[in-house]
Amino acid sequence: ILNVEQSPQSLHVQEGDSTNFTCSFPSSNFYALHWYRWETAKSPEALFVMTLNGDEKKKGRISATLNTKEGYSYLYIKGSQPEDSATYLCAFKARNQGGKLIFGQGTELSVKP
Amino acid sequence: DVKVTQSSRYLVKRTGEKVFLECVQDMDHENMFWYRQDPGLGLRLIYFSYDVKMKEKGDIPEGYSVSREKKERFSLILESASTNQTSMYLCASSLVGFRGGRGSPYSNQPQHFGDGTRLSIL
Repeated sequence: ILNVEQSPQSLHVQEGDSTNFTCSFPSSNFYALHWYRWETAKSPEALFVMTLNGDEKKKGRISATLNTKEGYSYLYIKGSQPEDSATYLCAFKARNQGGKLIFGQGTELSVKP
Repeated sequence: DVKVTQSSRYLVKRTGEKVFLECVQDMDHENMFWYRQDPGLGLRLIYFSYDVKMKEKGDIPEGYSVSREKKERFSLILESASTNQTSMYLCASSLVGFRGGRGSPYSNQPQHFGDGTRLSIL
């Protein structure tokens, strides 16, 4: 059974703080790593799809890095805003699992004004 | 923008009932997925489909079936609802990838999700 771990489970920061979370996944049979943001009462929204070791992607104040050899990805938020409050999900796709995404439990971020 | 529409936001059913959850997407995506989300657990895949009339079991298919008669619609069926199927159900779609010139679920396209159906089985 493939395991995808995210840490921390929850995070409370002040507006303006920068923060980062970790996603750990199996380092063998890597195909892709996805990041999603899920705001309360909304649908999960894709942030990044990362496929190559060393990939770095950026979308506004949010960026992500990928290390497939050691099996981790970091998501960074620079200068957190209250509207960044959401659950951030990572999902791993292996080469040998029929194209399925395996999701982590998520990191719940709360940004206080 | 891709629109994935789930038929109900909230649904209450009784134990033993046959329950249908409907999902429609408007972007001609080949891949469609059904997940459930429970507290403390990540999204878990129930079934997916990467073509009309095709279906593949996910990680927790027991007690569920699916139907994909048209490309845009993917239905999840609870054959005989039980209380342990009380959950948030999410539908998603994505473009198919290609391997060897044939459609493949190995897509590097992101998944697009519906708003979810919170199903309670009493």
